[in-house]
Parts: sequence; C-alpha cells; structure tokens
Amino acid sequence: EVQLVESGGGLVQPGGSLRLSCVGSGFSFSDYDMDWVRQAPGKGLEWVGRSGKKTTTEHAASVRGRFAISRDDSKNSVFLQMSSLKVEDAAVYYCARDYWGSYEHWGQGTLVTVSS
Amino acid sequence: DVVMTQSPLSLPVTLGQPASISCRSSQSLVYRDGNTYLNWFQQRPGQSPRRLIYKVSNRDSGVPDRFSGSGSGTDFTLKISRVEAEDVGFYYCMQGIERPYTFGQGTKLEIK
Repeated sequence: EVQLVESGGGLVQPGGSLRLSCVGSGFSFSDYDMDWVRQAPGKGLEWVGRSGKKTTTEHAASVRGRFAISRDDSKNSVFLQMSSLKVEDAAVYYCARDYWGSYEHWGQGTLVTVSS
Repeated sequence: DVVMTQSPLSLPVTLGQPASISCRSSQSLVYRDGNTYLNWFQQRPGQSPRRLIYKVSNRDSGVPDRFSGSGSGTDFTLKISRVEAEDVGFYYCMQGIERPYTFGQGTKLEIK
C-alpha cells in the first residue's frame, strides 16, 4: 500500500524558517516525481513545487527564492525548506506523488501557521 | 500559467438527484502524446484530496460508478448521477499538462 506521511509543521513567526519532510512507503520512491501542494485555511489548492526523479527541482513563482525542495532517495524522503516565511504561507502542506500529470496518492498534510 | 475555471462554486443538491460541475481551461489540455491531462479530486471535510478521475474520464479504483467525467480540449464536466450524503465536500479540477499544475477554485457540494 502506498503511503505518504508529512511532518515538521508548526507555528513560526513571520520571517522565520521551517523544514517539512515527507516519507513515502509501498513504492519505489526513486522512480517518481514528488510534489508539494498547499491549501491555505478555507482556500483552494496551490502547487508549490517538485522534486523530480532525476533530482531536478521546480518551484512556484510565489515561493521561488524562499523555499527549496530536495529529496533523499536512500530515506524515501522529500523535503521542503521554507525560509523568509510570510503570513500568506500559512497552510496545510501536502506531499503528493505525481505520475503523468496526476496525483493518485496524497499525504495527510502538515499544518504551518505563520504568526507573531 | 493555465487558468482553470470551475462553475458553479456552490452546488446545493437534493439527495438522489444528479449534479454536474463544469471546468474550463485557458488552453487546450491535449498533450503531444494525444492524452488529455485533466483530473478531478474530491475533498471531504477535514480530509486530504482524493482523486476521482484522471485523463478526463478514467475513474479510480474504488470510486463509485455514479461519478463520471467527460469533455475534451478546454471544456470538461464531472457528473454525479445520484448524489449521496457521503458526496458532500469540495470538488476540484486540475490540469497536469504543464507546470505549474493548476487547480480550479473548487465547487462546494452540499445537501439541500
């Protein structure tokens, strides 16, 4: 069974940093692109970025230069390093496994609160 | 970026009645391989999104057959033949043809 488990969320002050992790199991992790998607409270879904299976990374314009995605295939993990956090970055952050432009599997999400 | 526009944004439905959600993209979602990368997700209250439909009309395993997807090019529809109480929640379309992947605003389905 495919499972994705996020961790690392919490309360952080504006301008602060946080590192999220997502561990995958039940599949060959290194064979898949792994994405981060976020959902602000009461809002819709927003693509944040990707760690490609060839270690390429992409980031949404809204987070470029502040967030960095990386992965460690030996640990079946993908990471989201968030810096210079803004109030508008507050959201539930999901990791999702991409396969041909679709997310069959999502994690349960981890909540990031940005507040002073 | 590809803009995804859903309608309606609110959908009150009587139990047992049909429901339909429209999704339009700002550009064609047909990829050079001939496939159309349009997905539908359901998000029940307090849960992660769950994929219902991929490539316009392919239903995921375990998704009831009352859910169906159709459309082509830039116009797509999710239909529920007979709404049940467990269908309450938000529905999102998403394009997977180019990054950034983009989602529709979401449609809130509620029981009338």
